Amino acid sequence: DAGITQSPRYKITETGRQVTLMCHQTWSHSYMFWYRQDLGHGLRLIYYSAAADITDKGEVPDGYVVSRSKTENFPLTLESATRSQTSVYFCASINRGTGGRPTNTGELFFGEGSRLTVL
Amino acid sequence: LAKTTQPISMDSYEGQEVNITCSHNNIATNDYITWYQQFPSQGPRFIIQGYKTKVTNEVASLFIPADRKSSTLSLPRVSLSDTAVYYCLVGGTSGTYKYIFGTGTRLKVLA
Repeated sequence: DAGITQSPRYKITETGRQVTLMCHQTWSHSYMFWYRQDLGHGLRLIYYSAAADITDKGEVPDGYVVSRSKTENFPLTLESATRSQTSVYFCASINRGTGGRPTNTGELFFGEGSRLTVL
Repeated sequence: LAKTTQPISMDSYEGQEVNITCSHNNIATNDYITWYQQFPSQGPRFIIQGYKTKVTNEVASLFIPADRKSSTLSLPRVSLSDTAVYYCLVGGTSGTYKYIFGTGTRLKVLA
């Protein structure tokens, strides 16, 4: 089915382990984003990407690594997970409009989220 | 980047109209204003978007004054199912695509 999907939906890991959260979208949207949402709080931008091989830091990038070798995939890696990274992670995408900027329709499409628990 | 400020929470009763205001004093000339709704354990979903004046769709209205430094999301006749967190987001066309969400407004609709 078309859309934006995240995997795994739930993950429990231990401190110090490496974890990769996957995000895949079928629309060929140019821009993709990773947000984290701690319990009872708002969304914080971790990293974003304008196109394949173009990524940039968001508000809270420390402890995370991203890559974007293909337009449709935007994996997020926690190289050495810490308890403070326990959170729900949301991936999102938006299409490119004219002038190389996000479309004026401004609709971010979000995945269902990946709930990560670091013990 | 335009920072947004919203009330942290609001309560309303079923059938009432709810207005949630967002302040974005340093909005850029070409920025649009977009509102999202988020239910627990789900990603946010698009409600409405506007640039100026008034926009209306099947679920909400968006009012934007001439100076565009604020916007108001209006939900007519809310029901219990409208209980959610509402975020306003500003940006998209001013040269940056670094979408930063504010704290959102937690709306609780009471019976």
